[in-house]
Amino acid sequence: RKEVEQDPGPFNVPEGATVAFNCTYSNSASQSFFWYRQDCRKEPKLLMSVYSSGNEDGRFTAQLNRASQYISLLIRDSKLSDSATYLCVVNIDNFNKFYFGSGTKLNVKP
Amino acid sequence: DAGITQSPRYKITETGRQVTLMCHQTWSHSYMFWYRQDLGHGLRLIYYSAAADITDKGEVPDGYVVSRSKTENFPLTLESATRSQTSVYFCASSGASGKGEQYFGPGTRLTVT
Repeated sequence: RKEVEQDPGPFNVPEGATVAFNCTYSNSASQSFFWYRQDCRKEPKLLMSVYSSGNEDGRFTAQLNRASQYISLLIRDSKLSDSATYLCVVNIDNFNKFYFGSGTKLNVKP
Repeated sequence: DAGITQSPRYKITETGRQVTLMCHQTWSHSYMFWYRQDLGHGLRLIYYSAAADITDKGEVPDGYVVSRSKTENFPLTLESATRSQTSVYFCASSGASGKGEQYFGPGTRLTVT
């Protein structure tokens, strides 16, 4: 079983739409959670960390549900520039090991 | 320029050859990581290092060797390349505890024929 699982998509949405991605993780000892963005054939870049109480950064909202072991990313008012693959990342405390999901591809259409 | 760089960016090699991928960062970050990215698997951790001369295995270390004699460099060596090691390799670094944001290099696309 993979440590982190994501729906690979693709999610095809029109500009201005709201889209949500979920990610599940298997290790209940996971302590840190992140969403990264990866553009085609480029390196991943941090989009946002995910905090226990949930957090928002502009059009992006991240939520953590420890009981069900999943994190989510909500993108409001999608832009063409949001088209990318979104990677869910989990860190298991005390090991400095990061586990990446396979990514969810988002295509925002005009 | 400041940042994290990888070389070469593209490499084609033959089965059985030794290949070394280079990674260099200018932030003096303590932590450095090597990942490989394959379709359907996402990024998988090969090795990581908490400081100079301290390295540890990740999820998929077999067939790879690392060293870290200087904080800024973290080379990855494929001792005897196999076709299954054809992949995109990313190096990353992180400061503080190493559990926060990671900064990735541009990647090395390696093909083993």
